[in-house]
Amino acid sequence: GDSVTQMEGPVTLSEEAFLTINCTYTATGYPSLFWYVQYPGEGLQLLLKATKADDKGSNKGFEATYRKETTSFHLEKGSVQVSDSAVYFCALSSGGYQKVTFGTGTKLQVIP
Amino acid sequence: EAGVAQSPRYKIIEKRQSVAFWCNPISGHATLYWYQQILGQGPKLLIQFQNNGVVDDSQLPKDRFSAERLKGVDSTLKIQPAKLEDSAVYLCASSFNAPGQGVYEQFFGPGTRLTVL
Repeated sequence: GDSVTQMEGPVTLSEEAFLTINCTYTATGYPSLFWYVQYPGEGLQLLLKATKADDKGSNKGFEATYRKETTSFHLEKGSVQVSDSAVYFCALSSGGYQKVTFGTGTKLQVIP
Repeated sequence: EAGVAQSPRYKIIEKRQSVAFWCNPISGHATLYWYQQILGQGPKLLIQFQNNGVVDDSQLPKDRFSAERLKGVDSTLKIQPAKLEDSAVYLCASSFNAPGQGVYEQFFGPGTRLTVL
């Protein structure tokens, strides 16, 4: 079945550092790919998405590119802020009813 | 626009008791999902409804878990009897998408934190 693998956390960075959170996937067909974020004390919310190969999703300074050849969807941000501290989930959806499979999450802590 | 509502927010029960969770999705969203999120893990899909029909319940432990979505709006998830390993956050989400109509964002509720003692 479908699966998503993301790098284990926690990831601790200083403010303004460059961020990469790796995500790879296994799926049949052509899934859509997502990054969701969960800020402390809040619910899950969509950060960005890409629906086909070579698409780049972007939002709030975060970017991720759908790489079909490497089955990857790595999350990047050029300069992180303390307010980016959260848990980040990579996910895919596939099939006619768009069933969603989540990774285990990566906790990011940004220190001033 | 109101978000996805869930209740209760917290529940503590003893093993072998029963418990029910309620979800009210965003108005007009045809698809409703229930997820189980164990501490330190990603959400795991338990059941997915399209309107009031089940389209995926492959990971629902059907000997103890049940869910319904009457009239294609609100939904309830029940556990009977509960086990210690059911301690988790139960998330409800909804989305607009219908089959063949593209990929739509899921909107999540705040979740219900269940503790089984």
